[in-house]
Amino acid sequence: GAGVSQSPRYKVAKRGQDVALRCDPISGHVSLFWYQQALGQGPEFLTYFQNEAQLDKSGLPSDRFFAERPEGSVSTLKIQRTQQEDSAVYLCASSLGLGGGQSEQFFGPGTRLTVL
Amino acid sequence: AQKITQTQPGMFVQEKEAVTLDCTYDTSDQSYGLFWYKQPSSGEMIFLIYQGSYDEQNATEGRYSLNFQKARKSANLVISASQLGDSAMYFCAMTRPNRGSYIPTFGRGTSLIVHP
Repeated sequence: GAGVSQSPRYKVAKRGQDVALRCDPISGHVSLFWYQQALGQGPEFLTYFQNEAQLDKSGLPSDRFFAERPEGSVSTLKIQRTQQEDSAVYLCASSLGLGGGQSEQFFGPGTRLTVL
Repeated sequence: AQKITQTQPGMFVQEKEAVTLDCTYDTSDQSYGLFWYKQPSSGEMIFLIYQGSYDEQNATEGRYSLNFQKARKSANLVISASQLGDSAMYFCAMTRPNRGSYIPTFGRGTSLIVHP
């Protein structure tokens, strides 16, 4: 079956541009997470959805970051007025169960964002 | 605040030998989960093994086992009979309860190189 997919795989943006990153989770997965992974670091939690509800957005670094999952499946992470420090790999993960307690998370390949 | 520490930036092991990757954590929660993920150069995170804080037995999954020492707050990953395909980054993660869900915190990772 299909895994988690993300698009685009690579994105180059000029500083100040807006970008939108898409995540297609595994069908039927209730939970969806977004992470930011800087070079040489582990993933940092950004936000979590349970179906269409955004239950935790404590990891979003600024109000320039916005995420949505309007129908409880596909999710979009939007970054407005991109800055160079936003350059990173953005990972999406989904899981069948609620939250990340015992449920294995299935990760997408990530979107590598480079802000010039 | 929850914290995951992986003190080994890089490890080398000879093919067919066992290797232990260290992970210590810090939390005041009684209920938490511990995960290990593998990230090959392709970038996709792959779930390896899970240990719940109330599990008395160490988790095992094939060649992977988790050496869980709760009093020491350590959750080391043991890979037996290393294979060349095990060369990758390995991340330890802990989930913490937050409003009905569990939010993961990842360590900085350990780079494992298996040589023939």
